[in-house]
Amino acid sequence: ETGVTQSPTHLIKTRGQQVTLRCSSQSGHNTVSWYQQALGQGPQFIFQYYREEENGRGNFPPRFSGLQFPNYSSELNVNALELDDSALYLCASTGGLAGGDTQYFGPGTRLTVL
Amino acid sequence: GESVGLHLPTLSVQEGDNSIINCAYSNSASDYFIWYKQESGKGPQFIIDIRSNMDKRQGQRVTVLLNKTVKHLSLQIAATQPGDSAVYFCAETLRSGGYNKLIFGAGTRLAVHP
Repeated sequence: ETGVTQSPTHLIKTRGQQVTLRCSSQSGHNTVSWYQQALGQGPQFIFQYYREEENGRGNFPPRFSGLQFPNYSSELNVNALELDDSALYLCASTGGLAGGDTQYFGPGTRLTVL
Repeated sequence: GESVGLHLPTLSVQEGDNSIINCAYSNSASDYFIWYKQESGKGPQFIIDIRSNMDKRQGQRVTVLLNKTVKHLSLQIAATQPGDSAVYFCAETLRSGGYNKLIFGAGTRLAVHP
């Protein structure tokens, strides 16, 4: 186990709703990245948070937003859900004295949009 | 473009055989590469990494080879076991503007038969 936890495990929403996913980073890691993994594909980078600020973003629209808290945990918020948002959402933590470059992933949250 | 691709989408091997999973990457500036294993319903699990100043790195039953000339990575698994059955991803670390993100390919499914 990596020590990265995510909640909830599964979630079902309908189109147009909003969702918040949560991630707790591994102890000592100060950077959290979020990825979206569609079925049968590799994870796609959404954004990265460091010191409570977004410091990098992939090709995702503004309705994907996030937060990082002083304890380095993080949230991913998605507004106006679309059917194509159905995916496994992964967070990965890294950085700090303990983390270096390697990103360690949590178990993911499976989001289904109906 | 940014991409990490895999040559073989599915690899079937007999238990006890050696497995080789290949991967091509596209960014010559990438300096850090990771192999992840993902079992059904779980997040990617770190297997082994390699930096661009190396061409080979060995772990327990796994070896990663890096050929920067042709931008190619491979993962070798010795004495493959049923527990090795999973999807394997290589990931390339792309650094930009103070953050780093992982670029994944679609993955290779490894099926180990008794």
